[in-house]
Amino acid sequence: KQEVTQIPAALSVPEGENLVLNCSFTDSAIYNLQWFRQDPGKGLTSLLLIQSSQREQTSGRLNASLDKSSGRSTLYIAASQPGDSATYLCAVYYSGAGSYQLTFGKGTKLSVIP
Amino acid sequence: EAQVTQNPRYLITVTGKKLTVTCSQNMNHEYMSWYRQDPGLGLRQIYYSMNVEVTDKGDVPEGYKVSRKEKRNFPLILESPSPNQTSLYFCASSLTVMNEKLFFGSGTQLSVL
Repeated sequence: KQEVTQIPAALSVPEGENLVLNCSFTDSAIYNLQWFRQDPGKGLTSLLLIQSSQREQTSGRLNASLDKSSGRSTLYIAASQPGDSATYLCAVYYSGAGSYQLTFGKGTKLSVIP
Repeated sequence: EAQVTQNPRYLITVTGKKLTVTCSQNMNHEYMSWYRQDPGLGLRQIYYSMNVEVTDKGDVPEGYKVSRKEKRNFPLILESPSPNQTSLYFCASSLTVMNEKLFFGSGTQLSVL
């Protein structure tokens, strides 16, 4: 069974700092990996999707990398802002016994201090 | 506006009283899915549907039913709710099953007394 782990569970940084969030998964037979943002009391917003054949994706100040063979992904946030404060989750699609299941990590709660 | 709409936003019910949480998307997406989010356990997939009349179990399907009679709608049915189904539920959709970003609804907070 696929397991997804995110470290750290919580992170507090001063505004302007660059930071890295980590995601690891146990089964490398994945189709893709997505990074999401969740604000309190709201649904998830997809930030970046990396196909299994890709190494990284970029959107604005966000850069996500994928190393499928080692079961790891990182989300790099440049020049952090207070508006980046949220919980960040990663999720992987994988095929288990012919099904297409999506497994989430438990998230990293980010606080950017002004 | 492209969106996934869930109703109701909040629901309080009693054990054993059948309920349905509706989910609708206006983006002509093929793939739809349901999740529950619990403190300490994170988000877990309940059921998903790859297209009309095609559904499959996720990680935690026990106690839930779904149907996909139309492309835009994917209701979640609790035939006999129990207190351990108290949770925050999310519906999501994407254009295809895997290679597109997922769009989430705003969530339904369910309390079963």
